[in-house]
Amino acid sequence: DVLMTQTPVSLPVSLGGQVSISCRSSQSLVHSDGNTYLHWYLQKPGQSPQLLIYRVSNRFSGVPDRFSGSGSGTDFTLKISRVEPEDLGVYYCLQSTHFPNTFGAGTKLELK
Amino acid sequence: EVQLVESGGGLVQPGRSLKLSCAASGFTFSNYGMAWVRQAPTKGLEWVATISYDGSSTYYRDSVKGRFTISRDNAKSTLYLQMDSLRSEDTATYYCASRLAYWGQGTLVTVSS
Repeated sequence: DVLMTQTPVSLPVSLGGQVSISCRSSQSLVHSDGNTYLHWYLQKPGQSPQLLIYRVSNRFSGVPDRFSGSGSGTDFTLKISRVEPEDLGVYYCLQSTHFPNTFGAGTKLELK
Repeated sequence: EVQLVESGGGLVQPGRSLKLSCAASGFTFSNYGMAWVRQAPTKGLEWVATISYDGSSTYYRDSVKGRFTISRDNAKSTLYLQMDSLRSEDTATYYCASRLAYWGQGTLVTVSS
């Protein structure tokens, strides 16, 4: 199985600040079709996960441009700039290149 | 608007069965792959199973292989998860997801005697 190592576990932030979350995979996430199926989600307390970024760097519908994704191969990053209160929660990366699909363990974004 | 509504969760004894449903609306259900993802209380997300748009291909995590069956009825725009031989470690909120992009609100399954 592909191991997704997500860091940090906890990320204190000030409103208006900028943060980065890292996700590293134990093997390349480049699919045989040439795409890289690495996605980022935010789960707010008591809610279902919501898709933020799909295939490394594509913002999902309605996601503000404060969120950006980058990376390739096995090393990926989610950046959040000008953090707002509604950005708080747990962030997960997910790889769906390989079965079983696997999630990172999560990063809790919380106020300092 | 895409809507996914799960149902069928509840309290069940170890070794028994339960069938979850996910009613889809707001998109052409038969065009897209679907998945079940679960989350044990206070834990992270765990992929369970995926089915192709036409039901011809299915994939499972090892821990549920042979016990869970994912299926779909495209005429009814509904996804299913038949769960047999349930174990305490299957206790979780189960989410259905379309294209891993749209998620339902989840249904809680508790396996306990």
